Amino acid sequence: QQQVKQSPQSLIVQKGGISIINCAYENTAFDYFPWYQQFPGKGPALLIAIRPDVSEKKEGRFTISFNKSAKQFSLHIMDSQPGDSATYFCAASGSNYQLIWGAGTKLIIKP
Amino acid sequence: KAGVTQTPRYLIKTRGQQVTLSCSPISGHRSVSWYQQTPGQGLQFLFEYFSETQRNKGNFPGRFSGRQFSNSRSEMNVSTLELGDSALYLCASSIPGQGAFHKETQYFGPGTRLLVL
Repeated sequence: QQQVKQSPQSLIVQKGGISIINCAYENTAFDYFPWYQQFPGKGPALLIAIRPDVSEKKEGRFTISFNKSAKQFSLHIMDSQPGDSATYFCAASGSNYQLIWGAGTKLIIKP
Repeated sequence: KAGVTQTPRYLIKTRGQQVTLSCSPISGHRSVSWYQQTPGQGLQFLFEYFSETQRNKGNFPGRFSGRQFSNSRSEMNVSTLELGDSALYLCASSIPGQGAFHKETQYFGPGTRLLVL
């Protein structure tokens, strides 16, 4: 019940295309769903986050879509750029603040 | 403001040895979490310290331990190293109750890459 399942494991998208990464969770007590971005040689950094009381949140080219009934959430990157090439992690947490992480998606944007 | 710093950045040890990794959080951050990152496994939570007390603990054997000092700096120790302990060890600091939606936005250091031979 504590797992967060992330897919795909890797993704190749053409420059200008839409990158979509999906995550699913089981624990209905989770109430915070962040996405982190990690570049090689760096630690992860918070990209965008959502609470379950909204179905979508957009920040620039990055959008989180949230489906509470399906217990799924996804990250969409519009107009993907080579600089977006990184590993993306979804995560979830509940009242104890401990983040449960997905396994990560390595995104490559081809010029 | 200086970010989270971790030392050393790279470390090579042999099986059976022990290792101590250090983390200095962002000034003012009192919570420090440690993660193990391996390819394909994502980030596995080790433990979290807040005000020198362990607040949360992941499912790692007792060979993995940590502590936090009064200045919020933290160390983690791994005893009797095994080959499977080879990984990137990440430290993250946060301010409890602040960040996105009052959840703790975690600020990560660059990690310590440990290789066990």
